[in-house]
Amino acid sequence: DIQMTQSPSTLSASVGDRVTITCRASQSISWWLAWYQQKPGKAPKLLIYKASTLESGVPSRFSGSGSGTEFTLTINSLQPDDFATYYCQQYNSYSSTWTFGQGTKVEVK
Amino acid sequence: LQLQESGPGLVKPSGTLSLTCSVSGGSISGSSHHWGWVRQPPGKGLEWIGSSYYAGTTYYNPSLKSRVTVSVDTSKNQFSLKLTSVTAADTAVYYCARQTPSVAHIKDWGQGTLVTVSS
Repeated sequence: DIQMTQSPSTLSASVGDRVTITCRASQSISWWLAWYQQKPGKAPKLLIYKASTLESGVPSRFSGSGSGTEFTLTINSLQPDDFATYYCQQYNSYSSTWTFGQGTKVEVK
Repeated sequence: LQLQESGPGLVKPSGTLSLTCSVSGGSISGSSHHWGWVRQPPGKGLEWIGSSYYAGTTYYNPSLKSRVTVSVDTSKNQFSLKLTSVTAADTAVYYCARQTPSVAHIKDWGQGTLVTVSS
């Protein structure tokens, strides 16, 4: 099974900060990685897929990069609405299984 | 597309958890998507449970495979989850979701339903 490791688990930041979250895969997943934002009591919201493709309607301050085993989600100029938990997710096309990272909570500094 | 989970909110230990997801605004039949389930224990992260293609091919999380069944009912435009031999560790919010393997993402989610395992 492919394992996904996110870091950090918690990140303290202020409005206007540039924030970076890292996700590492235990083996190469090419660019088959997505990022989600989740707020308390809500379903996850797709932000980025195929490592760097911004989902329609998602603000351009969100960006993704990486391939292979290391990926990053960057939020430029953090906004009050961005305080949430973020998850990475990979899809293994050989086994047709999906795996999430453990999540990164972005909290107010 | 809208997805809506339904089913008991309380299940006894050693029992079977059964949930249904009703799909509206689109058809399960003939779709290239996978129809699946993701859960989230209180205060914890997301865990993919399993999914099914409309024609019946299923895929499961290896850690849950022995206890999980996901099935599709195209006549009702619904899909279902059964999880057997539940324990308190299965207490979670359960989400149904439309998974798109071709771009490896999950864009459409149900609102989630809390299932508590307790006597």
